[in-house]
Amino acid sequence: GNSVTQMEGPVTLSEEAFLTINCTYTATGYPSLFWYVQYPGEGLQLLLKATKADDKGSNKGFEATYRKETTSFHLEKGSVQVSDSAVYFCALSDNTDKLIFGTGTRLQVFP
Amino acid sequence: EAGVVQSPRYKIIEKKQPVAFWCNPISGHNTLYWYLQNLGQGPELLIRYENEEAVDDSQLPKDRFSAERLKGVDSTLKIQPAELGDSAVYLCASSLVPTRALETQYFGPGTRLLVL
Repeated sequence: GNSVTQMEGPVTLSEEAFLTINCTYTATGYPSLFWYVQYPGEGLQLLLKATKADDKGSNKGFEATYRKETTSFHLEKGSVQVSDSAVYFCALSDNTDKLIFGTGTRLQVFP
Repeated sequence: EAGVVQSPRYKIIEKKQPVAFWCNPISGHNTLYWYLQNLGQGPELLIRYENEEAVDDSQLPKDRFSAERLKGVDSTLKIQPAELGDSAVYLCASSLVPTRALETQYFGPGTRLLVL
């Protein structure tokens, strides 16, 4: 079945460091890919999405490129801030209406 | 605009007791989802409604879980009786149209359930 695999956390970085959170997927067909973020005490929020191969989603300085050849959708940010500390979830949606999530990666950014 | 509202935010009960969670989706959102999130895991879909119709409840443990969405707006998820393994966060989400149309799902803050 369809699935999403994320790197385990926590990822601990200093402010202004470069961030990469790896995400790979297994799916039949051509899924859409998403990154959701969950700040402490809040609900999940859509961060960015990509709907087809080579699409790049971007928001708030975060980027992820849909790589069909490597079945990946890695999240990157050039310079993280303390306010980026949260749990990040990679997810896919196939031709159904179901979102399939990874296990989440906790990011901790220290000043 | 108000987001997805869930209550209660926290619930502690003893095993074998019933429990209910309530969700009020964003105004105008026809599609409503209930997810289960175990500790250290991503959310897993329990049930999806389009208006008042449950169109995907394949992951809902129907022996003890039930859900309803009367009038196609608010929804209630019930567990009766609760078991220790039901301790988790229950998330509600809504979208204007189903995700197939790539419509964003908006999530509530969740209800954290602890079964003792």
